[in-house]
Parts: sequence; structure tokens; C-alpha cells
Amino acid sequence: GAGVSQSPRYKVTKRGQDVALRCDPISGHVSLYWYRQALGQGPEFLTYFNYEAQQDKSGLPNDRFSAERPEGSISTLTIQRTEQRDSAMYRCASSSRRGVGTEAFFGQGTRLTVV
Amino acid sequence: TQLLEQSPQFLSIQEGENLTVYCNSSSVFSSLQWYRQEPGEGPVLLVTVVTGGEVKKLKRLTFQFGDARKDSSLHITAAQPGDTGLYLCAGPFQGAQKLVFGQGTRLTINP
Repeated sequence: GAGVSQSPRYKVTKRGQDVALRCDPISGHVSLYWYRQALGQGPEFLTYFNYEAQQDKSGLPNDRFSAERPEGSISTLTIQRTEQRDSAMYRCASSSRRGVGTEAFFGQGTRLTVV
Repeated sequence: TQLLEQSPQFLSIQEGENLTVYCNSSSVFSSLQWYRQEPGEGPVLLVTVVTGGEVKKLKRLTFQFGDARKDSSLHITAAQPGDTGLYLCAGPFQGAQKLVFGQGTRLTINP
């Protein structure tokens, strides 16, 4: 596609439910990143993939959070047993190649609200 | 503890004024990037600086990478309302591919 696409744009869920957030990166982009962003703050790193391999998941807050990218394209971030503190904007980004200093293209994000 | 510290966190000035925002770290970065984010949108890359002491210009925006590659600055000349946004610096953590961000500078340019 023309840009990074995330769905849904907005998700309201009840505490304790599982949610799956989808990211469709720019076609052909090798690397895919997940971030969480509080209002007015910088993105906080969660995890990233090169192709289908998860390279670093050190930013995932706890074991309720997981991510996959099984075919090296679309990625899903799953949050199990959601809690109110999980409410945030979740952003996905992709870049055309691996390596340091490459440009990351961001999607519009998924606003998750846990009630 | 924030790896990249940005200052000021908020800045509100009048159209036509000049301003500088800073991004500082105690760690050395192989490169730093500056992004601008507008409400409801994701961050968009403005520039990447890779060499200590490097200066890059993008119209009225001037970016500088510190000689020791621990800090960077963004200077805007004759600010315009269209410059309003959240400015973010980012860099690869410990030389790896993982990109970490500062907390941002919220800039408002008043007409």
C-alpha cells in the first residue's frame, strides 16, 4: 500500500478481554516496529521484526503482550487480559531495510481504550 | 530514565521569532533523527544526522549533531504557524537497529 496501515483505528474493550492490533507495513519493507505513545510524549519502543524474525522484544511491558509477523509482512500485536493501564496509542512503523539510521514510516496508530 | 532528553518540553512563541530545541544524551549515538508529528498523525522524518559536527539545513530548519555525537539541536528561523507540532529526536539504541525516542518538544507558533 501507499503507507503503513493500522487497524482498527479505535478500539474500546472491557478489562480482561484480549485484543489484537493489526499493522500492514509498506509493501516490501523489511523491518517492522511496534511502539506505544502516550499523549504528547515520544513513542516508547515495544518490539521489532526483520522479515518474520522478532529481533528484540525487550520493550514489551509483560507477558500479556506478544507480537508476530509470520510471513514477514502483516504483523499483529496481541494484548491478553487487558488492563486499564494498557490504554494508549499503539503505533506501527516500517522501514525499507535493516540497519541503523534508516527512515521509519509510521502508521496513524490504534487508539486503545480499556474500560 | 530517558535515554534522550529533549528541552524544552513545551515552547510557545510568536510568528517570526527564532527558536532552538535540544536533544541530549549521556550516550554516544551513531546517528540521530528528527521527526515532526502533527495531531492525529504518526511522526514523519525530517532529517538524519550521522557525522559528529554535521549541520543540515531544511529550508528554515537547521539541524546540528554534536561533535561528540551525544547531542543534537534543531534551530528554526522565522517560525511560522505551520511549524507547530511535536518535535521528536530519535536514535539507535546502543548502535543496534532499535530506535528510541526522546519525550518530544511541543512547539506552538502563534500568528
